[in-house]
Amino acid sequence: NAGVTQTPKFQVLKTGQSMTLQCAQDMNHEYMSWYRQDPGMGLRLIHYSVGAGITDQGEVPNGYNVSRSTTEDFPLRLLSAAPSQTSVYFCASRQYGIQYFGPGTRLTVT
Amino acid sequence: GIQVEQSPPDLILQEGANSTLRCNFSDSVNNLQWFHQNPWGQLINLFYIPSGTKQNGRLSATTVATERYSLLYISSSQTTDSGVYFCAVSAGGTSYGKLTFGQGTILTVHP
Repeated sequence: NAGVTQTPKFQVLKTGQSMTLQCAQDMNHEYMSWYRQDPGMGLRLIHYSVGAGITDQGEVPNGYNVSRSTTEDFPLRLLSAAPSQTSVYFCASRQYGIQYFGPGTRLTVT
Repeated sequence: GIQVEQSPPDLILQEGANSTLRCNFSDSVNNLQWFHQNPWGQLINLFYIPSGTKQNGRLSATTVATERYSLLYISSSQTTDSGVYFCAVSAGGTSYGKLTFGQGTILTVHP
């Protein structure tokens, strides 16, 4: 199993651009989530999904959209990038309570 | 929402020393996990431990749910133990609730 994979690893955007961060898992986990990690702030939940077709907001959802059309994929869309969205983004999946993280995407918005 | 406090915020050790990291939480939990973030940024699950005690090699963890704290013990520390240790908890009806992370403990192990 590849586990949780994320692409790209690094990305630089200009303010106002949009993009999609990809996340996939091959463990057939129902629960998936997106976090952002900022210095001194720990990890904060952006959006999560408890199964295909079901998504909900986390702690910091503004400026981000998600959808879950399949069990495997959970993309995160930035609608109009802002410098405040510069961060490291982690995707995770969970089964039997145990959470598994992807390697992360480092995003810089200039 | 639930509050999570980790202590100490920073810890510096010599190789071979033992350490205890603490996680306090403000409400009853049905999910508590410890993670290690290595210097390359990868987050690895160490323990899923909403209650009781578990051991995995040199690492062990204890959660006393009634007193709302968890402890992570690292024995005979190695330089590869360096990184940030996070505690994360969730409350509610199922173990699939939203995980709230503490601020982490930064551990540095010197050779």
